[in-house]
Amino acid sequence: NAGVTQTPKFRVLKTGQSMTLLCAQDMNHEYMYWYRQDPGMGLRLIHYSVGEGTTAKGEVPDGYNVSRLKKQNFLLGLESAAPSQTSVYFCASSYGEGTFGYEQFFGPGTRLTVL
Amino acid sequence: AQRVTQPEKLLSVFKGAPVELKCNYSYSGSPELFWYVQYSRQRLQLLLRHISRESIKGFTADLNKGETSFHLKKPFAQEEDSAMYYCALTRLITANAGGTSYGKLTFGQGTILTVHP
Repeated sequence: NAGVTQTPKFRVLKTGQSMTLLCAQDMNHEYMYWYRQDPGMGLRLIHYSVGEGTTAKGEVPDGYNVSRLKKQNFLLGLESAAPSQTSVYFCASSYGEGTFGYEQFFGPGTRLTVL
Repeated sequence: AQRVTQPEKLLSVFKGAPVELKCNYSYSGSPELFWYVQYSRQRLQLLLRHISRESIKGFTADLNKGETSFHLKKPFAQEEDSAMYYCALTRLITANAGGTSYGKLTFGQGTILTVHP
């Protein structure tokens, strides 16, 4: 099993450009999450999903959109990138429910730079 | 609202010395607390959970509800313990015959631990 995978690993954008980050998991998890990691700020939740076709806002959703058309995929979109979105983005998934529903499994991260 | 605070961004110790990574939380209900770890060039992963009361890689963490703390401790640090450590909190939403479900994780700011030889 690959676990949680993220595409791409690195990306450099110019201000105003758009892009989509793809997250895929093969663990049949219901819940999926997008975080950003910034120095001194820790991990902050951008958006999350508790099932196929559902999405919800996290702590820092502005400037991002998400979609969960398939259970195994969770897409994070930046419509008009800004330098403040320069960060490392992590996707995670979890069962969310059940005895071990608390544990989140993380992808390797995507390092995004916006010039 | 729930909040997790890790007051130390950086922590350096020598091999064999005791280490304590501090974590304080604020939450009005009954929290579920965890420590996650990210070793160099590896993914963030769960290290331990308070309710399990287990020792993982020599680390333990005790939940002190009076002080709202969940500090991570190890009596003798090793070089391979060098990593970024995150304290995290969630809540138990339901726990009944219908099943158990958990809320979102709130992470602290993280502490980079460096263990020198």
